[in-house]
Formats: sequence, C-alpha cells, structure tokens
Amino acid sequence: ETGVTQTPRHLVMGMTNKKSLKCEQHLGHNAMYWYKQSAKKPLELMFVYSLEERVENNSVPSRFSPECPNSSHLFLHLHTLQPEDSALYLCASSQDMALGSGANVLTFGAGSRLTVL
Amino acid sequence: DQQVKQNSPSLSVQEGRISILNCDYTNSMFDYFLWYKKYPAEGPTFLISISSIKDKNEDGRFTVFLNKSAKHLSLHIVPSQPGDSAVYFCAAQGNDYKLSFGAGTTVTVRA
Repeated sequence: ETGVTQTPRHLVMGMTNKKSLKCEQHLGHNAMYWYKQSAKKPLELMFVYSLEERVENNSVPSRFSPECPNSSHLFLHLHTLQPEDSALYLCASSQDMALGSGANVLTFGAGSRLTVL
Repeated sequence: DQQVKQNSPSLSVQEGRISILNCDYTNSMFDYFLWYKKYPAEGPTFLISISSIKDKNEDGRFTVFLNKSAKHLSLHIVPSQPGDSAVYFCAAQGNDYKLSFGAGTTVTVRA
C-alpha cells in the first residue's frame, strides 16, 4: 500500500455510540493531520501531530479525541457526536511542518464519510 | 473568518477551451499558495503551488498567477480536458505550517 489510507470509508453512528476513524500513511512523513470538510465549506483543520506529539488542537470539541501511537498511524475517536458533526473527515500527512521552508504540501487520504443520526 | 475565498462555486467549460479559476485572500502574511484537485470519493491531490516572490508558475497545462497587490490568484487550465472535471481548492500558507483553504470550485468540462 502506498500513500494515505483511511478506514472506514463510510460510517453511520448514533449519538450515543463510540467509534474510531483510522489513518495510516506509508510515506515516511513526520506530520499528520485531521481535517473536517462539511458540504460547501472550506476544509477545517482539527488536529496536527508532529513526530507523534500533538501540536495543534484547533478548538475542537472534546467529543473528538485524537490519538497518534506512532508516526505512521493516526486515530480519531468519536463519542456522543451530534448530527452537525456529519461530514467528510480527511487525514493528511506531510514530510515536515515546513516552517518557513516552503509550501507545506499535504498528501490526503480519501476520507471517512461520517453520518450521525 | 474565512481568509481564503473562492467566489465561484462552479464553472462549466467546453473541452479544449481555457478554464480560469479565481481565489482571493485577505491575510497579507500569506506567502505560499497551493491548488489542490479532488475527484469524487478521493482525497484532494496537490496540483501546483506558487511562492509570493513569483507572479507566475507553470506546469504543463496548468498555470497559476499571483497578484499580491490585489490579494488574488488564479489557476488557468489550457486546454481543458474531460479528466479535469473535479473540485479545485485554493489554499494559502503564512509563516507557519497551517493551510487556509477555500470552499472549492467545481469544474465541469463538456465534451
């Protein structure tokens, strides 16, 4: 497998369920990201991990809980979500954080389409 | 507060003609700009970027133009092909790693 792989591709859950989204990158990148894409809206950055350390929590509600056990894997644990959390959740990775060293080119996974009933 | 705006949600163009996608930004600290392309059921893929020290960057059929004074950039696709039908996202980066994305423009290339 190459690139960034996300599972599951589709998830339907009730508001009281607990589920997890999984992301795996096979690129040897050091940074991983969770983005949320709601219909007709820009991608919203949720969390960023660099070398397995969380460097960004972009005011995300605590019902979303990220986990990065190693530099290749990223999880998003979901608990007591709301219907407005229904969206496409995209995982991405980049070589480094590209702090002033050039464009931060992200490689995205195909996304996990979440529906909260 | 949306710092990157793509004011045209959709664009339809004849095969072989030019597609012009526009993007405006508000933050003068942005110094890198990227375009991503997204097909249905796939993640966005990087297409082309431009640094603020340039006003044009070309890669095959794709050219990005940057007008810093107007805080405006555009993507030109010439000639447009049916495989170019996708959603195109503009993104901007300042002096950190964060990308601010626009809402996307859906391009349909008609045969």
